[in-house]
Amino acid sequence: AQTVTQSQPEMSVQEAETVTLSCTYDTSENNYYLFWYKQPPSRQMILVIRQEAYKQQNATENRFSVNFQKAAKSFSLKISDSQLGDTAMYFCAFTNLNTDKLIFGTGTRLQVFP
Amino acid sequence: DTAVSQTPKYLVTQMGNDKSIKCEQNLGHDTMYWYKQDSKKFLKIMFSYNNKELIINETVPNRFSPKSPDKAHLNLHINSLELGDSAVYFCASSQHALGYTFGSGTRLTVV
Repeated sequence: AQTVTQSQPEMSVQEAETVTLSCTYDTSENNYYLFWYKQPPSRQMILVIRQEAYKQQNATENRFSVNFQKAAKSFSLKISDSQLGDTAMYFCAFTNLNTDKLIFGTGTRLQVFP
Repeated sequence: DTAVSQTPKYLVTQMGNDKSIKCEQNLGHDTMYWYKQDSKKFLKIMFSYNNKELIINETVPNRFSPKSPDKAHLNLHINSLELGDSAVYFCASSQHALGYTFGSGTRLTVV
């Protein structure tokens, strides 16, 4: 069975600093996709970043980047220059083209302090 | 323009009632989903439909019945509501795992 594990229930960071959120997953598939979603207090699910497993290059989106280690099945999210608006729950998620469903981790609550 | 819209945003109802949540997407995606987020924020898929056809049914009680009149709509009907059904329900759509777009969620409270 495919699983996604986020071992950090809560994290905090000071504004303008860098923080890394951890995610590991388990699958026997070779082709799959990984995502990080942000859920602010408004509860909207917002796609932060997406990584295709066949791409060795780590995805980046402005201040957000990932460290994708396929052999270790690790997919961490780095947030640089943290902003107060980054305060939210962050969910790591996995899917492959066979199942076509997102499997979520349990989430990490990130608090950015001034 | 809202990509995935679901109504209502909030729903408070008594145990035993029947209620529906509606979802519409204007992205032209083939696949739509219902996810449930419990009180601990855990998100789990309930159903998926591809072009009006049921693809995934994840061990959801028979009281939950999805209906897809066309590929742009996926509604969720819940019979005989129970306290444990209280949660946030998200509708989503996707096209070949290229990206999943979520609605803003419906917070269901059963009293």
